[in-house]
Amino acid sequence: DTEVTQTPKHLVMGMTNKKSLKCEQHMGHRAMYWYKQKAKKPPELMFVYSYEKLSINESVPSRFSPECPNSSLLNLHLHALQPEDSALYLCASSQSAPRGLGQPQHFGDGTRLSIL
Amino acid sequence: AQKITQTQPGMFVQEKEAVTLDCTYDTSDPSYGLFWYKQPSSGEMIFLIYQGSYDQQNATEGRYSLNFQKARKSANLVISASQLGDSAMYFCAMREGRRNTPLVFGKGTRLSVIA
Repeated sequence: DTEVTQTPKHLVMGMTNKKSLKCEQHMGHRAMYWYKQKAKKPPELMFVYSYEKLSINESVPSRFSPECPNSSLLNLHLHALQPEDSALYLCASSQSAPRGLGQPQHFGDGTRLSIL
Repeated sequence: AQKITQTQPGMFVQEKEAVTLDCTYDTSDPSYGLFWYKQPSSGEMIFLIYQGSYDQQNATEGRYSLNFQKARKSANLVISASQLGDSAMYFCAMREGRRNTPLVFGKGTRLSVIA
């Protein structure tokens, strides 16, 4: 079992639907991340939150909207997605700076998203 | 710009044998961290081992060890006594010494352990 919990594990939605992915961690980490991973590819960074504030947005389309309600929770709101958005969405957390480079990111099991 | 290169798309190893997965990196930052992650077919990313740029000794974690050759900018993962459960994708990743620099991943190596 991972210490980062993602729900749901699987999601199928139409292009007009609105849904949300949820991520929760209770390790006291103050940095949280969303990644998108296509099959047979490495994870691609989407967003970074540090101390509940958005610090990095890797030019992600506005149909993806992140939210960090508190230090333990991270959401990804989805609206009007395209079929090419079908992928594994991974959440991760880590100790934030200045605790050093050696703090690994801990990943959740991911949400497998399919857009019809 | 930082860059991670994994040149082996796929590797096969006999059960109980050792295997080395290659990783080279490129950065101009003298302070950086190198990580290896395992991703089984189920999808979760499992942290395996870490090596810091200033670490004097190669990192080891159980059956995993990291062959760190700083001058050659390589950080190869060595798995000893391979097990069937080691079959997975393995990603090398790096962070530079800046605040909250996110991980940059290599393309990965798919390891298959044969009985």
